[in-house]
Amino acid sequence: DGGITQSPKYLFRKEGQNVTLSCEQNLNHDAMYWYRQDPGQGLRLIYYSQIVNDFQKGDIAEGYSVSREKKESFPLTVTSAQKNPTAFYLCASRPGGSGGKGYTFGSGTRLTVV
Amino acid sequence: AQSVTQLDSHVSVSEGTPVLLRCNYSSSYSPSLFWYVQHPNKGLQLLLKYTSAATLVKGINGFEAEFKKSETSFHLTKPSAHMSDAAEYFCVVSDSPSGNTGKLIFGQGTTLQVKP
Repeated sequence: DGGITQSPKYLFRKEGQNVTLSCEQNLNHDAMYWYRQDPGQGLRLIYYSQIVNDFQKGDIAEGYSVSREKKESFPLTVTSAQKNPTAFYLCASRPGGSGGKGYTFGSGTRLTVV
Repeated sequence: AQSVTQLDSHVSVSEGTPVLLRCNYSSSYSPSLFWYVQHPNKGLQLLLKYTSAATLVKGINGFEAEFKKSETSFHLTKPSAHMSDAAEYFCVVSDSPSGNTGKLIFGQGTTLQVKP
């Protein structure tokens, strides 16, 4: 079955360390997204990519970086510059084109800074 | 700019009673609107979506929502709550009329509690 796989499910990081969250999809979707979820704040967009080798900053990109070298993969790196990285991170994808077509979400990665 | 406001951060109902989760939106064009549900430590599941077809949208698990342009509302309802409906619910709008970027704008979420 097609879907989005996020790994790991839980991740612990020491302060000052970079960490990379994985997001892989086998849906042949063109666009991929990273969202951050904090209690009581809904989801906020970090980065998104509409095609391979191209990505755009979202609303809260500071302290994060991404790459899109393959259509299936959109890893997110949380750098030491991110001041408050503890959160639940969700990856999503959808087909290209206009309108509200078929977003699919992964099951998320919970990152905790210790 | 597009935005959504979920009017209740927490709703509590008894099992078997109706559910109403309220959402107002702001948009300069006819929006695409969605309701998603999230169970603890899980991803988001689409309940239903409105994309300028019928104003009454039926979704999964007995949920439905009505798009009311005059009231800029998209409230989610269910006639009879089940214990398994207890979760976080998000009202969401797509960011542009053409949907070229496909960015989603989320409300703050409503926690639905279902009491036995």
